[in-house]
Order: sequence, then C-alpha cells, then structure tokens
Amino acid sequence: GQQVMQIPQYQHVQEGEDFTTYCNSSTTLSNIQWYKQRPGGHPVFLIQLVKSGEVKKQKRLTFQFGEAKKNSSLHITATQTTDVGTYFCAGPSGAGSYQLTFGKGTKLSVIP
Amino acid sequence: ETGVTQSPTHLIKTRGQQVTLRCSSQSGHNTVSWYQQALGQGPQFIFQYYREEENGRGNFPPRFSGLQFPNYSSELNVNALELDDSALYLCASSDGRREAFFGQGTRLTVV
Repeated sequence: GQQVMQIPQYQHVQEGEDFTTYCNSSTTLSNIQWYKQRPGGHPVFLIQLVKSGEVKKQKRLTFQFGEAKKNSSLHITATQTTDVGTYFCAGPSGAGSYQLTFGKGTKLSVIP
Repeated sequence: ETGVTQSPTHLIKTRGQQVTLRCSSQSGHNTVSWYQQALGQGPQFIFQYYREEENGRGNFPPRFSGLQFPNYSSELNVNALELDDSALYLCASSDGRREAFFGQGTRLTVV
C-alpha cells in the first residue's frame, strides 16, 4: 500500500533558526496536504499543493511540491516558540480519494 | 475553531468492552472520516462516510464499525476493546472537495 515517510522525526532548533521537514511518498500524489498539531491538540490544516513543482508561502512558511509529485517540503524561516508542534504531510490514498495517508510527522521543538 | 465537535473528550474502558464515539460535522459537510492516532504516530485512516454510506475503509478489523446519520453526524463503534486500541480518535469532516477539518479528538484509554 501507499507509504508516506517524513524526516527528520524530531528537530530541536534555537529560536530564530530555520527548520525544514521533508516528505516522500511511495506513489505519485494528486495533491499533498500539510497539517500542524500542537501538543495535546488536533491536526490543523495548513495548506494543499496540487501542481507539480508548486511553491506556496504563508508568512514564514514555504511549502514545495516536487516535480514528480512524490515529495514535498516545509521550510520555516526564523522559527518562533509559537511554531512548536508536530508537522504532518498527508496524501490521498488513490485517485479521486479523500482518504488521507499521513506521515509519522516531524516534531519541532524551539529553544527560546 | 473548526466547527467539528467530538464527544466524549476522554474515556477509560476495560478490555473486552464496547465503546461509541460521536462526531458532529461542520455545517455543509457531507463527508466524515475517522482516524486513529497512537501516541507519537500520524493519524491512521479507519473509514469514511459519504451521505450515510461507507465509501472507504483502512486496514482495521470489522470490530471497528461506524454510522453516519441524515444530518451527517457520525459514530465510531469499537467492539471487544483491546489494549492497543488506546489512542486519540479523530473525526474529520469535509465537503468532499476541499481540505478536511479535524475535531479535537476523543482520547480512549483501554485498561
């Protein structure tokens, strides 16, 4: 079945440093979604990428979708303590499917 | 807030018991998905309901079952609870075209 892998599993950064998490799918994806889950919270939708090579920015967050639509990345510039949480990527399980396969996530800790 | 509400927020059950978890979807959303999130893991898809019909199922045994009602709210039922069923159960609603909105989850502990 489809697998979605994320690295690294954990990342500790000093406040102000940059952070990147990488996501790889075993199959080509129609789209990829990113979610953030704060400690004790639930996943919150951040963004969806659809086009090959697409790059989207949300303030300090930059999301990329690979040319082959099998990998993606999330980059945070100048991390803040509010960025703490686990970042998940997720892709549809099949064409036209809204059933998501999630990666295991990257847990970000920001040291003030 | 997403408008997706789940109840109860926390639950403790004994191995072998049965449990029902509830989810009220966001207004206008006809699709509800259920996910199981074990500690330190990503959410795992259990099943999805669209207009009261199950239209997709993940790799979970038949003792995990569900319902969707005419108002698109949903239930997740788990029979013969096992210790490994301890997890955060998440409900996500969508209109089938855009992103899914997650509820705050029900944390189930099986002892």
